[in-house]
Amino acid sequence: DTEVTQTPKHLVMGMTNKKSLKCEQHMGHRAMYWYKQKAKKPPELMFVYSYEKLSINESVPSRFSPECPNSSLLNLHLHALQPEDSALYLCASSQDLGAGRRETQYFGPGTRLLVL
Amino acid sequence: AQSVTQLGSHVSVSEGALVLLRCNYSSSVPPYLFWYVQYPNQGLQLLLKYTSAATLVKGINGFEAEFKKSETSFHLTKPSAHMSDAAEYFCAVSEKSGTYKYIFGTGTRLKVLA
Repeated sequence: DTEVTQTPKHLVMGMTNKKSLKCEQHMGHRAMYWYKQKAKKPPELMFVYSYEKLSINESVPSRFSPECPNSSLLNLHLHALQPEDSALYLCASSQDLGAGRRETQYFGPGTRLLVL
Repeated sequence: AQSVTQLGSHVSVSEGALVLLRCNYSSSVPPYLFWYVQYPNQGLQLLLKYTSAATLVKGINGFEAEFKKSETSFHLTKPSAHMSDAAEYFCAVSEKSGTYKYIFGTGTRLKVLA
């Protein structure tokens, strides 16, 4: 089973709202990722968690706040977003053996976010 | 620094024709290379990957890719296109050990003509 699930599938929010995106995997993977994808572009890495600790933050604005409550769950908390933040937000996971090996990333279906 | 170039942002083929999507990479270390497919409004699905074993890699849905070190290429092929192959295809290289990052190409949109 190589399934990564994401909820909600679609989200519309105003610039003053607070919302959260959720990602879940049950493959025993210990690395989880958030990507942002604009139309007709490749995914852009936002955050990487390794063993529930934030490993990489690609200089993402603080209005995006990631959280990894356990090894299966990854959240992305959204607050005071701008219209240009509208995009497809993808979650991914990989095995991450912790020995610096390059692992395959498995992606979820994404959350389509529209900020009004 | 590693990079990935996908030649042709749009490729059109007739149903039943050969599919060839091009990917060239630059890397100072032996690369790990991946092809992903993305259908409209969906996430990325792994088609196949090269991790320094066999140079000809077979993937899902009849796709395969050949790693050619001398040409720094990892082109994706399928002998006979099907209408359901219409999608966006991304080539990616995994940056060297320890940083977990993928470097994605800009993508190729495949259109299949009836």
